[in-house]
Amino acid sequence: AQSVTQLGSHVSVSEGALVLLRCNYSSSVPPYLFWYVQYPNQGLQLLLKYTTGATLVKGINGFEAEFKKSETSFHLTKPSAHMSDAAEYFCAVSAHSGGGADGLTFGKGTHLIIQP
Amino acid sequence: ETGVTQSPTHLIKTRGQQVTLRCSSQSGHNTVSWYQQALGQGPQFIFQYYREEENGRGNFPPRFSGLQFPNYSSELNVNALELDDSALYLCASRSTGGVYEQYFGPGTRLTVT
Repeated sequence: AQSVTQLGSHVSVSEGALVLLRCNYSSSVPPYLFWYVQYPNQGLQLLLKYTTGATLVKGINGFEAEFKKSETSFHLTKPSAHMSDAAEYFCAVSAHSGGGADGLTFGKGTHLIIQP
Repeated sequence: ETGVTQSPTHLIKTRGQQVTLRCSSQSGHNTVSWYQQALGQGPQFIFQYYREEENGRGNFPPRFSGLQFPNYSSELNVNALELDDSALYLCASRSTGGVYEQYFGPGTRLTVT
């Protein structure tokens, strides 16, 4: 079984500041990890994914995340926040690369607020 | 390339009624999953269909059922609606094998009164 904990339901940063969204996971098998973004009244868009290999993963819109097995973490970062980054962010884990027959297990989400 | 589409966008039903939500998968995708996203929560996996058969299910009761058609479109049916069924229902499609991401549709907002 898998589970995801996202620390902080709301994170507020100034425009141009570092964005750090935290995600810790629990998995009984080597995990596949994902970050999704959801804008108001829209579906989910994949930002990046970790499957195997390099632990630092780069995604779209300047986001990246680092898989740390020893810390069971997959935190999302962006060096400089932009107003358009304001959205809901979800971390998800799967025992299979594409979600598998068990689907994706999502965290509760972090609402990112960008202050001008 | 057409993405994942869902219909209707919004729906209001009364407790005890039945509802059918529809999803059209992205071209080339043969697997579809459905998720329920309650307000302020992350999506929860309902079930997955592959080759018109359900091959995975989350912790949802049997009154949540589905269909997948030969053209890979899909339906989610919910019987005996309860107030707690009010949520955004998301459909996601993908290809099997390898490392493939799930592509989500915009969702159907269901309100049960």
